[in-house]
Amino acid sequence: EADIYQTPRYLVIGTGKKITLECSQTMGHDKMYWYQQDPGMELHLIHYSYGVNSTEKGDLSSESTVSRIRTEHFPLTLESARPSHTSQYLCASRGFGDYEQYFGPGTRLTVT
Amino acid sequence: SQQGEEDPQALSIQEGENATMNCSYKTSINNLQWYRQNSGRGLVHLILIRSNEREKHSGRLRVTLDTSKKSSSLLITASRAADTASYFCATDADNDMRFGAGTRLTVKP
Repeated sequence: EADIYQTPRYLVIGTGKKITLECSQTMGHDKMYWYQQDPGMELHLIHYSYGVNSTEKGDLSSESTVSRIRTEHFPLTLESARPSHTSQYLCASRGFGDYEQYFGPGTRLTVT
Repeated sequence: SQQGEEDPQALSIQEGENATMNCSYKTSINNLQWYRQNSGRGLVHLILIRSNEREKHSGRLRVTLDTSKKSSSLLITASRAADTASYFCATDADNDMRFGAGTRLTVKP
């Protein structure tokens, strides 16, 4: 089991609400990633960070934002949730010089 | 953007049979990795093969890599019901990792 955690695991929220999905890792990894994945579909990279105060947008346009104030913490925020944001959000991390990514268990978000 | 493409998209076999999944990619890579995802969970790393390797084994897993054809295959031998999951290939090129769409494997008991 990887030491990477996501909360909440499940979230049902109404349109227009602001939400923050939490991701923390205790492995001291510099690189962290957020992916969006619809059930049974491919992963889309939406944000990544290579260290503190470093954040970049990924391949998939997203209305979310991220921050990286501490190495271990990489929260993702949606300012105004919409039904199109309904999906699973996966957080991952990777150490410098490591090859594999370690994934959290995911947050399944439903916006009604 | 997606780099790897898995084939088939879905595979259903009986317990004890072998399962073969294929992955094709487009650009040069440093290594190729295979991950497994149980329903509703995160991905778990299974095996990595470097660009200068042709075949690698780990338990019941066998991975091949053909860089000339830009393709890889994952073989799971003597499958079990617990192998039911989605399997993703991921190409790694200069710290840029890209995942394919996955193969959904169902192993019937």
